[in-house]
Amino acid sequence: DAKTTQPPSMDCAEGRAANLPCNHSTISGNEYVYWYRQIHSQGPQYIIHGLKNNETNEMASLIITEDRKSSTLILPHATLRDTAVYYCIVRPPGQSAGNKLTFGGGTRVLVKP
Amino acid sequence: EAQVTQNPRYLITVTGKKLTVTCSQNMNHEYMSWYRQDPGLGLRQIYYSMNVEVTDKGDVPEGYKVSRKEKRNFPLILESPSPNQTSLYFCASSLNRDSYEQYFGPGTRLTVT
Repeated sequence: DAKTTQPPSMDCAEGRAANLPCNHSTISGNEYVYWYRQIHSQGPQYIIHGLKNNETNEMASLIITEDRKSSTLILPHATLRDTAVYYCIVRPPGQSAGNKLTFGGGTRVLVKP
Repeated sequence: EAQVTQNPRYLITVTGKKLTVTCSQNMNHEYMSWYRQDPGLGLRQIYYSMNVEVTDKGDVPEGYKVSRKEKRNFPLILESPSPNQTSLYFCASSLNRDSYEQYFGPGTRLTVT
């Protein structure tokens, strides 16, 4: 799996957009970008994934640069419940026999009132 | 509601006393797996199952057993728990090997004294 680099922490004001960057300069052509988050001691939660095109769902938007070496997760209107550690993962689907997820350090996001 | 449930959520036990942590999913998923999460070590996969009666070792299987007799259930068994198995455990499920989205249970915090 390609290595990812994320800032260790960031603060965000409630109601504002939160933009979480992720660098994955060694990404291969068949590798997808996934985002998960983990609210303190709860089970990780899938947010979104993408390959080349920008993606949007009810939780967030994912912007992938044209060269695919970096991406940004956007939480459009952050709420206090969005306080969590956010993980960016890059890997091809089905590569791991156990569909294993491996989290790096992630970005600890604190949403402030 | 689609979910993965785990029981118990918290458990304190003594060395050598056999225990079972149950996991159940109601999404008819083929894949299920167990992870443990420790500070500084991230998520590590213990065992996974591709379907009923099919299980395989993950990265840290020593000291654990699993079974998959029914599609919805995937219990984790510690035959003789030791203090180094004190951890936060998560069960996860996904539709199949290529699924981008994995669903995690709420976690079981185990302390072995």
